[in-house]
Amino acid sequence: DGGITQSPKYLFRKEGQNVTLSCEQNLNHDAMYWYRQDPGQGLRLIYYSQIVNDFQKGDIAEGYSVSREKKESFPLTVTSAQKNPTAFYLCASTPWLGTEAFFGQGTRLTVV
Amino acid sequence: AQKVTQAQTEISVVEKEDVTLDCVYETRDTTYYLFWYKQPPSGELVFLIRRNSFDEQNEISGRYSWNFQKSTSSFNFTITASQVVDSAVYFCALSEEGSYIPTFGRGTSLIVHP
Repeated sequence: DGGITQSPKYLFRKEGQNVTLSCEQNLNHDAMYWYRQDPGQGLRLIYYSQIVNDFQKGDIAEGYSVSREKKESFPLTVTSAQKNPTAFYLCASTPWLGTEAFFGQGTRLTVV
Repeated sequence: AQKVTQAQTEISVVEKEDVTLDCVYETRDTTYYLFWYKQPPSGELVFLIRRNSFDEQNEISGRYSWNFQKSTSSFNFTITASQVVDSAVYFCALSEEGSYIPTFGRGTSLIVHP
């Protein structure tokens, strides 16, 4: 079945550690996105990519990094520079511009 | 800049009641797209509907209906005869022709009590 797979589902990070969240899609979608969800904040855009080897910062990119070496993959790294990383992270993709987004099941990151 | 406002943070109803979730948007583009998504407790957002700015026709799908009014920049969502399974967080979203990046509202948490 086609879809978006995020892993892991739960992730625990120690202070000062970098962690990478995986996002893979087999929908052949060009555009991919990372959103952060906090209670009462809705979904805020971290990074997005519309083609391979190109990506753009969203509204809250500080402390995060991404890569887009393959069309299917858009991993997000939460660096130690992100001071408050505890949140629910959602990866999404769209087949072309202006269409509805497909979402993964999310990764819940907790700092311990 | 585009903006989506969902003023209702949480709505609590009893099963079989009708409920309307409000969405107000701001955009300078004449071509844009509006969406509604449902986020059940599992966390994954599920697409419900898309509307483009040139199609103001209201839509009904089973117990769900949507009222798009450009004059008031609103795209409201009504659930008729609510059920416990409708309990979820509902998000309204907007994407403009210029960037196509989906911008989401803060969501409305709907709780349907048996």
